[in-house]
Amino acid sequence: EAGVVQSPRYKIIEKKQPVAFWCNPISGHNTLYWYLQNLGQGPELLIRYENEEAVDDSQLPKDRFSAERLKGVDSTLKIQPAELGDSAVYLCASSRGGSTYNEQFFGPGTRLTVL
Amino acid sequence: DQQVKQNSPSLSVQEGRISILNCDYTNSMFDYFLWYKKYPAEGPTFLISISSIKDKNEDGRFTVFLNKSAKHLSLHIVPSQPGDSAVYFCAASGMTGNQFYFGTGTSLTVIP
Repeated sequence: EAGVVQSPRYKIIEKKQPVAFWCNPISGHNTLYWYLQNLGQGPELLIRYENEEAVDDSQLPKDRFSAERLKGVDSTLKIQPAELGDSAVYLCASSRGGSTYNEQFFGPGTRLTVL
Repeated sequence: DQQVKQNSPSLSVQEGRISILNCDYTNSMFDYFLWYKKYPAEGPTFLISISSIKDKNEDGRFTVFLNKSAKHLSLHIVPSQPGDSAVYFCAASGMTGNQFYFGTGTSLTVIP
C-alpha cells in the first residue's frame, strides 16, 4: 500500500512570494489533515477535511493560507504571500475517517524556507 | 496553550537498557493517546496507542502506561536498540478521535 505522498519535499522562496504544497493521501482514506511543524515543536493542525469538506479550519490563518480538496482525494495548501515566519515543515496526513480513533498516516512533509 | 507536554527534550540510554519517555496532558476530556516515532526527513509513524479504559498496552518491546488521575502517560522501550534513536511524539485526542494534539517531542538516542 502506497503511503501519503507530498511534493515538493523542499522549497525555498523569497518573502512575499506565493507557494503551494500538494498531498496525495492513502487510497480510501476519507480524512485528510494539514499540519504545521515548527522546529522543536510537535505538529499543529491547520485544517482537516472529511472528503471534500473542510470540517475544521479554525487554526488556518485565512488571510494568507488557503487549502482545497476538490474531488475529495488530493489536496493543495497555498500560502500567498509567504512571510519569514512561515518557514517550517508542512505535514499532510490521512486516515480512514469515520467515528473514532483512526490512526493517522503522515507523509514525509515539505520543508519550506522563506528568505 | 500546550495541552500535551513532553518536558524532556532529549534522552540518552545505553543499548539494552530501558528507555522511559514521559508525557503529561491537561485536558481531562482526552481519552485516546498515541505515540509516534519520527526519523529525520520523514513524517511521524504510529507506534502504539492506548484508550482511557486501559492503564497499560503492550506491543513487543513497547509498552504504554496511562495514569488518568495524574494525567500522565509514559512509553517504555525495553530493551532499547540503536534503531530506536528517533524523536518520539505523544499525542492525545478527545471522543471524536479525529483531532490529535501533539507534544513537543523527545529525542531519544540509544548508545551502542
